Amino acid sequence: QQQVKQSPQSLIVQKGGISIINCAYENTAFDYFPWYQQFPGKGPALLIAIRPDVSEKKEGRFTISFNKSAKQFSLHIMDSQPGDSATYFCAATNTGNQFYFGTGTSLTVIP
Amino acid sequence: KAGVTQTPRYLIKTRGQQVTLSCSPISGHRSVSWYQQTPGQGLQFLFEYFSETQRNKGNFPGRFSGRQFSNSRSEMNVSTLELGDSALYLCASNIAGGDSPLHFGNGTRLTVT
Repeated sequence: QQQVKQSPQSLIVQKGGISIINCAYENTAFDYFPWYQQFPGKGPALLIAIRPDVSEKKEGRFTISFNKSAKQFSLHIMDSQPGDSATYFCAATNTGNQFYFGTGTSLTVIP
Repeated sequence: KAGVTQTPRYLIKTRGQQVTLSCSPISGHRSVSWYQQTPGQGLQFLFEYFSETQRNKGNFPGRFSGRQFSNSRSEMNVSTLELGDSALYLCASNIAGGDSPLHFGNGTRLTVT
């Protein structure tokens, strides 16, 4: 059973556009939601993270929007650049320190 | 501060053999988790070790095992390798507890022929 559902599987965006990746979860015990970015040949790297008591968090061009009642959260990449082309994973965890990952979104930003 | 180090980076093994992968966590991180990554399957959780004890375990067969040493370094072992075990194996460490994200190594690419 997939604890965290992620969509879309792949995404193609024009340079300068907005990339949006969505995730949903069921377990209300989750209390920490990080996003990871992975380039080919590398391990995933933490991009940005949020706790459920905050509805939005912004770091540079990256924003997480969090809807606790809907149990959904999303990553927005503003002014997308070719260098943002990578695979993105959402994740969720609780105090047990077990992280559950979405299946990933392959983002391609076209120049 | 040095990141998570995984060795070796690449391995080629034959069906039926066994393999051991190594992970050195970030200094001060006591929790080490292992993940299997395959195309289309995302990150599948194998197990987590904390203070030399396995604390969480994913749904993998008993052929997959691990351990953690007193210096927090961890090893993962896969016995009786199958073709389907070909994957990128990722190790991650964190402090564990609170808002402590996982920090990943660059993985070991295992190919089983």
